[in-house]
Amino acid sequence: DTEVTQTPKHLVMGMTNKKSLKCEQHMGHRAMYWYKQKAKKPPELMFVYSYEKLSINESVPSRFSPECPNSSLLNLHLHALQPEDSALYLCASRGPGEGSPLHFGNGTRLTVT
Amino acid sequence: AQSVTQLDSQVPVFEEAPVELRCNYSSSVSVYLFWYVQYPNQGLQLLLKYLSGSTLVESINGFEAEFNKSQTSFHLRKPSVHISDTAEYFCAVKAWGSQGNLIFGKGTKLSVKP
Repeated sequence: DTEVTQTPKHLVMGMTNKKSLKCEQHMGHRAMYWYKQKAKKPPELMFVYSYEKLSINESVPSRFSPECPNSSLLNLHLHALQPEDSALYLCASRGPGEGSPLHFGNGTRLTVT
Repeated sequence: AQSVTQLDSQVPVFEEAPVELRCNYSSSVSVYLFWYVQYPNQGLQLLLKYLSGSTLVESINGFEAEFNKSQTSFHLRKPSVHISDTAEYFCAVKAWGSQGNLIFGKGTKLSVKP
């Protein structure tokens, strides 16, 4: 079982739809991450939140909009996506300390049609 | 800047055989090192990590990795693999004292055959 919970597990959306991915953790971690993973590739960092503030945006297109409502929740709002945005979207959190590892959720498998 | 090289994209082995998954890194500063495993349709799970101290680190499921500073390597080994070890394995580094995040290798697909 993972301590980072992501919903939904699967999502199919059209290019004109608006949808949101959700992530929740109750480990008290104050750093939360969104990654995108294409098939047979490593995860690519998208966004980092630290203490509920956006600290890193890896030049992600504006059709992806992150939100951190509180220290336990992380959302990723999706709008006007392209088929090439289809991927596994992973949420992760990290505890204090430089060497603390990332804890990943099981991801949302997104298909854009 | 840091980089990670996983020398083998795929490693096929027979059940109960030993395996080594290779990882080399490049960094001008000291690093923390991690191995993650990803089973099909799941997220990444931490397998083991090297922060400091003993250069040999072990996981609860029989894997071990040895940090070799002179060779800038952090190879993952298991003396006898099981079918259930079939997965993608990612090596990752993070620089000391940085606000930066994990740098992942491209991954190695371990396939264990009966």
